[in-house]
Amino acid sequence: DSGVTQTPKHLITATGQRVTLRCSPRSGDLSVYWYQQSLDQGLQFLIQYYNGEERAKGNILERFSAQQFPDLHSELNLSSLELGDSALYFCASSVRGLDYGYTFGSGTRLTVV
Amino acid sequence: GQNIDQPTEMTATEGAIVQINCTYQTSGFNGLFWYQQHAGEAPTFLSYNVLDGLEEKGRFSSFLSRSKGYSYLLLKELQMKDSASYLCAVRDGQAGTALIFGKGTTLSVSS
Repeated sequence: DSGVTQTPKHLITATGQRVTLRCSPRSGDLSVYWYQQSLDQGLQFLIQYYNGEERAKGNILERFSAQQFPDLHSELNLSSLELGDSALYFCASSVRGLDYGYTFGSGTRLTVV
Repeated sequence: GQNIDQPTEMTATEGAIVQINCTYQTSGFNGLFWYQQHAGEAPTFLSYNVLDGLEEKGRFSSFLSRSKGYSYLLLKELQMKDSASYLCAVRDGQAGTALIFGKGTTLSVSS
């Protein structure tokens, strides 16, 4: 157990629907990062939050949004889902200034049918 | 922007040594990381380089040359369990503290 908790582990939904993925970081970690991993694109950075505020954006679509709450857990909202959104979505957390990269959760596998 | 290149696939035999190369282009380099990822699982941290040179950690070593935009991961005494994807990632100051990953190198170790 890495200490980063992601729910749900699996999600199957239809095109056009909206889903919410949840991430609880390791205790004490202030930064949360969201990544999307598909077979052909590798691990793509989506967005980072630090202590409740958006810190950096990567290749995140306008249909996707995220937020980090006061208790530091984060949610990634995916709307108007398309078949191409099927992927593994990972959350990772880190402590600012700690040069160990960061720790990943076990991921949410999203299948859009 | 960032560009990270590594070979797509490599094969090796048990007990051998393998070197996985990574080249990168980034505008605000602030560290290079290697992660291991088994199929369907989360990436796990292997090594971190921010200064030029070699970092050794048991059977794994990682090298960095910032002037050449080049790193390699060296795996010694290969074991079957080392069959996995190896991801090179750079931390670019323009992306906050986020890591930007290459597409990974799938290593297959055979007996």
